[in-house]
Amino acid sequence: ETGVTQTPRHLVMGMTNKKSLKCEQHLGHNAMYWYKQSAKKPLELMFVYNFKEQTENNSVPSRFSPECPNSSHLFLHLHTLQPEDSALYLCASSQGAGTSLLNEQFFGPGTRLTVL
Amino acid sequence: DAKTTQPPSMDCAEGRAANLPCNHSTISGNEYVYWYRQIHSQGPQYIIHGLKNNETNEMASLIITEDRKSSTLILPHATLRDTAVYYCIVRYSGTYKYIFGTGTRLKVLA
Repeated sequence: ETGVTQTPRHLVMGMTNKKSLKCEQHLGHNAMYWYKQSAKKPLELMFVYNFKEQTENNSVPSRFSPECPNSSHLFLHLHTLQPEDSALYLCASSQGAGTSLLNEQFFGPGTRLTVL
Repeated sequence: DAKTTQPPSMDCAEGRAANLPCNHSTISGNEYVYWYRQIHSQGPQYIIHGLKNNETNEMASLIITEDRKSSTLILPHATLRDTAVYYCIVRYSGTYKYIFGTGTRLKVLA
């Protein structure tokens, strides 16, 4: 247990569906991240939130829409996805972002997404 | 962007030291080197990080060369549970941005 939880752990959706991934951290951190991990590809940073403000959007298509209502929760809203979006989506948190503070990231277990 | 290069796979006998190398020859003076590992079907787990000096914690040791162009992660007594993909990651000082490579798949053999 890393203190970062993600739900659901597995999700199968059609290309016309709308779904949301949820991430919650119990560590008192101020920064939260979404990563995508496709088969045989490096982990890709998607979004970064620092104190609820989005500070990084790594050229992610608009069919992925993040939301950070507070420092403990992060959502990824999905709509009209493509089969190539099938991947493991990982959430992480850290004490801060963009500072010199000790900044190791704590990862959740991920959501395995399959788009049919 | 600074990038890292790691061997794709390594084997290590159980109980022996596992030495995982990483090349980061384009690293600049204020960039940290982080090591994470990912056990199958789990999220990455932080192991250790360093800037210039060698570092040790309860999980591993990190040896950084004097020119900072490469580093080695040492698991002193590898166990079967250490089988995982190990990532050497460069983080820009003052930023949150990690650059993950493809990592080294370490297999600890009984």
